[in-house]
Amino acid sequence: GNSVTQMEGPVTLSEEAFLTINCTYTATGYPSLFWYVQYPGEGLQLLLKATKADDKGSNKGFEATYRKETTSFHLEKGSVQVSDSAVYFCAVMYSGGGADGLTFGKGTHLIIQP
Amino acid sequence: DTGVSQDPRHKITKRGQNVTFRCDPISEHNRLYWYRQTLGQGPEFLTYFQNEAQLEKSRLLSDRFSAERPKGSFSTLEIQRTEQGDSAMYLCASSLTGEQPQHFGDGTRLSIL
Repeated sequence: GNSVTQMEGPVTLSEEAFLTINCTYTATGYPSLFWYVQYPGEGLQLLLKATKADDKGSNKGFEATYRKETTSFHLEKGSVQVSDSAVYFCAVMYSGGGADGLTFGKGTHLIIQP
Repeated sequence: DTGVSQDPRHKITKRGQNVTFRCDPISEHNRLYWYRQTLGQGPEFLTYFQNEAQLEKSRLLSDRFSAERPKGSFSTLEIQRTEQGDSAMYLCASSLTGEQPQHFGDGTRLSIL
């Protein structure tokens, strides 16, 4: 079945630092890839997505590129802000004959210090 | 913009009791999903509906769990004879189609005493 591995947290950075959160996946076929974010006290929100190889998803300064050859979808941001502090979840969805639910990683807690 | 709504936000009950949660998806979203999230983990898929039809159930969904979406709009998730291990956040999500992103509600936190 599908699985997602993402780097363990917490990840603590200073404001304006460069961010990378690694995510790799195993899946059959050609899954769609997602990053969701959960801010303190709030529900999961879709941050960005990519549906095919070499696609780049982007939103709010965050980017992630669908790398089929390395089965990766790493999240990056050039300059983080305190308001980016949250838990980030990488997820994969394979739509094709089986369950269409998302498979999530365990989440990476990001802490940005001023 | 009306998002996915879940009720109640928090449910506290004694072991052995039955509980029912409700989810109201975004209007016109055909797909509705249920997930369970425990502390420090990502959400785990439980089941999903295409309109009123329940199309897939995870192995996590034991016989004590049942979900319905009778008119293809709101959905309910019932847990019978609750156990300590059922304590978790239960999340509902909806999407327009299977290819579209899922939008999540704020969840129902279940605490078993």
